[in-house]
Formats: sequence, C-alpha cells, structure tokens
Amino acid sequence: DAKTTQPTSMDCAEGRAANLPCNHSTISGNEYVYWYRQIHSQGPQYIIHGLKNNETNEMASLIITEDRKSSTLILPHATLRDTAVYYCIVRNVSGYSTLTFGKGTMLLVSP
Amino acid sequence: SAVISQKPSRDICQRGTSLTIQCQVDSQVTMMFWYRQQPGQSLTLIATANQGSEATYESGFVIDKFPISRPNLTFSTLTVSNMSPEDSSIYLCSVAPLISTDTQYFGPGTRLTVL
Repeated sequence: DAKTTQPTSMDCAEGRAANLPCNHSTISGNEYVYWYRQIHSQGPQYIIHGLKNNETNEMASLIITEDRKSSTLILPHATLRDTAVYYCIVRNVSGYSTLTFGKGTMLLVSP
Repeated sequence: SAVISQKPSRDICQRGTSLTIQCQVDSQVTMMFWYRQQPGQSLTLIATANQGSEATYESGFVIDKFPISRPNLTFSTLTVSNMSPEDSSIYLCSVAPLISTDTQYFGPGTRLTVL
C-alpha cells in the first residue's frame, strides 16, 4: 500500500472548519483513501473513505485531488469532541488488505 | 457497522504471567484482526485471526507469544504469554463485516500494564 504524509499536529477553533491534509503521491489506481480518528483512550473510529470522487457523510467530507496524489478531510464545524488523532490510510481493495497506520495528525480543537 | 466488545477493558499483571483478551462481535464478520498500540505510538497489526485455522502473524509476532483462537464468526481471543513490562500496551480487536469488506471497525481496546 502507498505511504501517506500528514502534519504532526494542527489547531482549530471550535465552530470553525477543520481541514486536515494528507499526501499520498504514490497511490495506485486500485487504492482507496481511508480516514480514521482515535480519541484518547478509545479504539479508532472510521470516518470516511473514497477512491477518486469527493465524498460526504454525516461526520465529514473528503476531497481528493484530480491526480489523486493528495486529499483533505474536512470537519465542517469542529467541536471540542473532535479533538483526536486523525489517520489517513491508503489501502488496496483488490483482494483484502488490512489497514496500516502511520503517525497521523493530532487535531486540537480549542474553545 | 459492527458493535465490538472486548474483555477485560484493562488489567494490571505481573511479569511472567499470561492474559487472555476476548473479542465479541454482535454479528458475523469475515475478518478479525488483532492490533497492538504501544504507549505514544500508532497501531501495529499483530495477526489476522482465521476461523478454523491458525492465525496469520505479521513480521515480528509469533504464535508462542501471542496465541490466537477464532472458534466462530463472532468471537476471537488473543493471549499475551509470559508477559514482560515491554508488553504494556493497548490491544485492539478489529473486524471487517461479512457483507461490506472494505471497511474495518475497531473495538474499544484492552489496556494492559505489566509490572
């Protein structure tokens, strides 16, 4: 699976949009982009995933660039409970492959 | 999404002893996995628990140290054997549902401290 690069940490004010970038320049055609987050002392929580089209669900939006070499996870109105480590993971879905976690981005949402 | 429970949620153990962690899912799942998260670190895959056959271990993990069982499609156990303080970690069960195989879900984790 392709490697990803994320900033170590980011800050966001409560109520504002949080935009978390991820670089995956070596992504191949059959690899999806997944986002998970891990709130302190909890198991990772699935957020969203996509192949090449932008995706939106009740938690977040995922914007993937046309060349698929980078993506951005958007939390439209961040709350204090969104403080967590956010993991961007690229995964091959032809056959079954597990998730490989990097270090992620620590997002701190402040009042 | 699948609802996953783990027992125990946490434990403090003496070195040289063993601990078995249970993972129960509320529905049948195709794949079950065990991860380890050492203090301040990201998650590392230990093994894939296969129903009816031996688990598939990742590099650096061996069956004698981390024996795994998976008797059916909803349950698995991970044993941490002959523990040392270096085994202090959070151990997480993860599953991929039967119908949708493209998303993994995680349990709440078991926080293990070895003295």
